[in-house]
Amino acid sequence: DQQVKQNSPSLSVQEGRISILNCDYTNSMFDYFLWYKKYPAEGPTFLISISSIKDKNEDGRFTVFLNKSAKHLSLHIVPSQPGDSAVYFCAARRGSGSARQLTFGSGTQLTVLP
Amino acid sequence: DTEVTQTPKHLVMGMTNKKSLKCEQHMGHRAMYWYKQKAKKPPELMFVYSYEKLSINESVPSRFSPECPNSSLLNLHLHALQPEDSALYLCASSQTSGRGRTDTQYFGPGTRLTVL
Repeated sequence: DQQVKQNSPSLSVQEGRISILNCDYTNSMFDYFLWYKKYPAEGPTFLISISSIKDKNEDGRFTVFLNKSAKHLSLHIVPSQPGDSAVYFCAARRGSGSARQLTFGSGTQLTVLP
Repeated sequence: DTEVTQTPKHLVMGMTNKKSLKCEQHMGHRAMYWYKQKAKKPPELMFVYSYEKLSINESVPSRFSPECPNSSLLNLHLHALQPEDSALYLCASSQTSGRGRTDTQYFGPGTRLTVL
């Protein structure tokens, strides 16, 4: 049962335009959502996160939107740059206590064309 | 500073070998994690240590043996692995004292393991 889904395995965008990456989830117990960016042969790099009590969080060129009723979140990158080309993973956090678990989506390969 | 370091970067081992992967962080984080990632797949959680105690074991085979000797170090001991265990092994850490951003997991660069 895939609790976090990224239905688009790949996305190509022209430099300077907006990139929109989407993520859907099924588990209502998730309380925090994160986006990670991953280059080949490297570990995921944390980008931006959002609490389940908010609907928007912005950090520079990156904005994450959360629609809790639709169990959907999206990452907007504007303007897109060639250096943004990477695999983007959506992750959702659940659990209680001192160590919470992340469940990752399958990732979306973003290619920003110069 | 959000650095998690992992050694070695690459490891090739035979099915009868014993080897160890190492992970280190100096951010004062008290939760540390091991993930396994196969090509074109998301990271899959293997183990979670909280305050140097194993708190989550995601039904990982016993040929993988984690160890947390202190709050900064996390090891993964490998023995009698199979070729299908070849993957990128990622370590991560996070604070444990609060909610929200303090629980963000920061990942190391990974160890690329090949089992022959």
